[in-house]
Amino acid sequence: GQQVMQIPQYQHVQEGEDFTTYCNSSTTLSNIQWYKQRPGGHPVFLIQLVKSGEVKKQKRLTFQFGEAKKNSSLHITATQTTDVGTYFCAGQWGAQKLVFGQGTRLTINP
Amino acid sequence: NAGVTQTPKFQVLKTGQSMTLQCAQDMNHEYMSWYRQDPGMGLRLIHYSVGAGITDQGEVPNGYNVSRSTTEDFPLRLLSAAPSQTSVYFCASSSRASGTGQTQYFGPGTRLLVL
Repeated sequence: GQQVMQIPQYQHVQEGEDFTTYCNSSTTLSNIQWYKQRPGGHPVFLIQLVKSGEVKKQKRLTFQFGEAKKNSSLHITATQTTDVGTYFCAGQWGAQKLVFGQGTRLTINP
Repeated sequence: NAGVTQTPKFQVLKTGQSMTLQCAQDMNHEYMSWYRQDPGMGLRLIHYSVGAGITDQGEVPNGYNVSRSTTEDFPLRLLSAAPSQTSVYFCASSSRASGTGQTQYFGPGTRLLVL
């Protein structure tokens, strides 16, 4: 079946440092979504990217969709303790179900 | 709106026992799904439904049954619990509205321990 590979699995940063997580698919995606899960919580939708080369920003978060629509990234500038959690990407191919990446768990040293 | 609700929040079962995890949504969403979350494995789809009376298998369906008699409810049944089913279970719903993809709205989860 289709897979989305997400790296790194874990990332520990000092507060104020930047953070990036990457997702890759071997085949072209229709769209990709990003979710955040706080410790002990449930995944919450952040954003959806649909167009080739699309870049969207939400305050300190920047989301990119590759030109070939096979990869995506989430970049957080100047992390804060509120950014702690696990970030998931989820890819979709046509009308098929969403497939989630393994997630990147972000921890922050204040 | 309550969104997506799940009960129970926690459950301990013995091997071989059966139980039903409840899920309900009040957003009139057509799509509902069950995922399990295990460390390092992300979210894996167990079963899903595209509308009342229609269900289909996801990536890891073995040992689980579902039914969808109403738009609002999508229970997940464990027929004979096994330790390998120890996990956190999330129910999610989404709208079939055109142009929005399938943004998932997740419930708070059920933590299941099978001894």
